[in-house]
Amino acid sequence: TQLLEQSPQFLSIQEGENLTVYCNSSSVFSSLQWYRQEPGEGPVLLVTVVTGGEVKKLKRLTFQFGDARKDSSLHITAAQPGDTGLYLCAGYSNSGYALNFGKGTSLLVTP
Amino acid sequence: EAQVTQNPRYLITVTGKKLTVTCSQNMNHEYMSWYRQDPGLGLRQIYYSMNVEVTDKGDVPEGYKVSRKEKRNFPLILESPSPNQTSLYFCASSHGLGGGPADTQYFGPGTRLTVL
Repeated sequence: TQLLEQSPQFLSIQEGENLTVYCNSSSVFSSLQWYRQEPGEGPVLLVTVVTGGEVKKLKRLTFQFGDARKDSSLHITAAQPGDTGLYLCAGYSNSGYALNFGKGTSLLVTP
Repeated sequence: EAQVTQNPRYLITVTGKKLTVTCSQNMNHEYMSWYRQDPGLGLRQIYYSMNVEVTDKGDVPEGYKVSRKEKRNFPLILESPSPNQTSLYFCASSHGLGGGPADTQYFGPGTRLTVL
């Protein structure tokens, strides 16, 4: 199993603040995915990053894939209460079939 | 509507009583998988299937069985459930394999299982 470590585990901020969530591994991944999960629901894909150094933007969310394809980050600008949720990174194993998840970052944005 | 459905959504059972959690997708996806989610441990893959009659173990397969007789269905079977299998279970499907742009995993709503 290729381990993915996420930090921080918990994050509580006020509306309007910026934040960054990290996903690190000692293994190289062909791609990494970021999901968001809300209470009582299954995870929903936000983005897939494939190329080392790639940066993708989704409104106020910016995702970056490390040059060595071992790490990724998620940056949220001007967080809103609607951003509250569990953010998960995931990467496919070298075989390409098994998807490994990090333990997640639980984000709470208060008004 | 494209979706992954799971049944039941909630289940309380007793140790040793065989149970099946069903999973069905209507997107003609080849790849399906089961995960369990536990506090502090995150999402862990139990089994996955690349196509009909093709399944393989994930990280935590002990105590579980699966079958893939039809493309749309991927049931999870607990032959003799134990309390350590109390968890939140998710089924997921995707069109492709290997993390490419086509490999969005679509998750079901989850099944909360309690084994007494």
